[in-house]
Amino acid sequence: AQSVTQLDSQVPVFEEAPVELRCNYSSSVSVYLFWYVQYPNQGLQLLLKYLSGSTLVESINGFEAEFNKSQTSFHLRKPSVHISDTAEYFCAGMGNAGGTSYGKLTFGQGTILTVHP
Amino acid sequence: KAGVTQTPRYLIKTRGQQVTLSCSPISGHRSVSWYQQTPGQGLQFLFEYFSETQRNKGNFPGRFSGRQFSNSRSEMNVSTLELGDSALYLCASSFGTPLPDTQYFGPGTRLTVL
Repeated sequence: AQSVTQLDSQVPVFEEAPVELRCNYSSSVSVYLFWYVQYPNQGLQLLLKYLSGSTLVESINGFEAEFNKSQTSFHLRKPSVHISDTAEYFCAGMGNAGGTSYGKLTFGQGTILTVHP
Repeated sequence: KAGVTQTPRYLIKTRGQQVTLSCSPISGHRSVSWYQQTPGQGLQFLFEYFSETQRNKGNFPGRFSGRQFSNSRSEMNVSTLELGDSALYLCASSFGTPLPDTQYFGPGTRLTVL
């Protein structure tokens, strides 16, 4: 069975500092990995995704994540954070085994990123 | 292109009642997935519908049910509400291709059971 683990429940950082949000997955089948962000009282917004191809994926707002198969990780990084990045971030995975994988994202428990001025 | 919409945004019900939530997917998307989000359990998969058929189901009791219409709009129903059903219910839409593709989420329906 697929599982996703986010290693930090809360990450406080200062503005303009770099940040890394850690995510590990376990699966016996090919996986497809995503990072979503959730602002208070809102739904989830897609940040970036790994479906295939280059192991380094980037988003339009400066975040990047690297798919590392040997370490089963998909950590999210940003070289310089802003106050507006304060939110909860979710790592999620989906298998391709059909059947029990259809339309099912498995989420980590979330990491609350708080950016201080 | 309009995003995923969910109605209503907020609901207050009492124990024992039933509730129906609605989700309209992005135009062209044929798959709708539903999730329950609570502080204790996080985000949990309820079920997925594609072309009016339930293709996948999570580990929730039979009180949780859903359906999908020919225009891909989906509803989920919770009968005999319990206090523990208080949660944010999110739906997500995608093309529903055989290979995994990206899910886009709606703003959610906040259900409070008193």
